[in-house]
Amino acid sequence: GENVEQHPSTLSVQEGDSAVIKCTYSDSASNYFPWYKQELGKRPQLIIDIRSNVGEKKDQRIAVTLNKTAKHFSLHITETQPEDSAVYFCAASDSGGGADGLTFGKGTHLIIQP
Amino acid sequence: DAGVIQSPRHEVTEMGQEVTLRCKPISGHDYLFWYRQTMMRGLELLIYFNNNVPIDDSGMPEDRFSAKMPNASFSTLKIQPSEPRDSAVYFCASSSIATALHFGNGTRLTVT
Repeated sequence: GENVEQHPSTLSVQEGDSAVIKCTYSDSASNYFPWYKQELGKRPQLIIDIRSNVGEKKDQRIAVTLNKTAKHFSLHITETQPEDSAVYFCAASDSGGGADGLTFGKGTHLIIQP
Repeated sequence: DAGVIQSPRHEVTEMGQEVTLRCKPISGHDYLFWYRQTMMRGLELLIYFNNNVPIDDSGMPEDRFSAKMPNASFSTLKIQPSEPRDSAVYFCASSSIATALHFGNGTRLTVT
């Protein structure tokens, strides 16, 4: 089955700086890579996703890049703000979307220092 | 849309008791998933259904766990008998083909 590794487990950055979280996956058939943000005591919520026919996708301060050859993808957050503090999860799936379930990384606790 | 609805939000029970968690998926979504979240193991897929039929239950930890989906708008996850190591947050999620997974607010289970 799919295995998703996520690094780092904790990331502390100064407010206004950029943050990068990296994930690798094992199944070359995976074609859908979402990122979820989970605030303390709340549910994971989708913030951005990318499919295997695209190398990069941006949404305001958030971007995701995908390297299918190397089987890794990354989340980039620019101009970080206090409200970006949360746990971020990457995930992978071979169904093109949410069907068949997602395999999640272990999460990155992002801390924005004021 | 109200999103995925789970109940109860919190459940505290004693070891050996039966626990039933409930979920109502988003209308129109034909996939339903049960995940368990712990600090040690992260988010684990327990079981998922497609059109009310269980497709993959390989993540169910043992026979004490069972899940049903009697219709398109309702699913249950049952633990009988419960044990302290079952303490976790249990999330239900739903989706349709090629759409994102939407999570419910979760049930925080504590087994003493």
